[in-house]
Amino acid sequence: DAGVIQSPRHEVTEMGQEVTLRCKPISGHDYLFWYRQTMMRGLELLIYFNNNVPIDDSGMPEDRFSAKMPNASFSTLKIQPSEPRDSAVYFCASSLWLGNQETQYFGPGTRLLVL
Amino acid sequence: AQSVTQPDIHITVSEGASLELRCNYSYGATPYLFWYVQSPGQGLQLLLKYFSGDTLVQGIKGFEAEFKRSQSSFNLRKPSVHWSDAAEYFCAVGGGFKTIFGAGTRLFVKA
Repeated sequence: DAGVIQSPRHEVTEMGQEVTLRCKPISGHDYLFWYRQTMMRGLELLIYFNNNVPIDDSGMPEDRFSAKMPNASFSTLKIQPSEPRDSAVYFCASSLWLGNQETQYFGPGTRLLVL
Repeated sequence: AQSVTQPDIHITVSEGASLELRCNYSYGATPYLFWYVQSPGQGLQLLLKYFSGDTLVQGIKGFEAEFKRSQSSFNLRKPSVHWSDAAEYFCAVGGGFKTIFGAGTRLFVKA
């Protein structure tokens, strides 16, 4: 398996622009997670989906952030409008629920810089 | 409240020396515990995990971790560190869908 795939790997944009990050989870996994990593705040869970349905979006910082999962093999995280403080590395992870166990597998991340 | 504490922000060890990274957790039930490693510019890679059974868990790259319920700890060890082990290490705890990550410990390896 190719693992979790994220695109783009790097994104540089200007304040006020819309940014869309993409994720393809591991085939067969039923959970998908979006994280944000910064030096100041570490790794933060933004939102997660189960079978394409958003379960917990309490980590989404503001209404400027939105996430969708239209099917089992694709998810997007959108920031509109973007701000410099959104600069971070955004990770997507997926997992398969096995009874009461799950292990998350991470993508390589998207490094976002908002100028 | 569920939490994970990695007391050491960074650690420096000499190549060939032994390594122990500390992790303490707070969890209301039987925890599932993980160690991940993140190399510069990369995503997090699973090193090992503990769900049940033997409290000494073997992982990839020669790492092991020991679950000590009485101390609420899950320390990561390696008998002989290689320069390629320089990275950031994250301890995590989960018992369901939400995994909580520690702040990470950055490992520096000196020649």
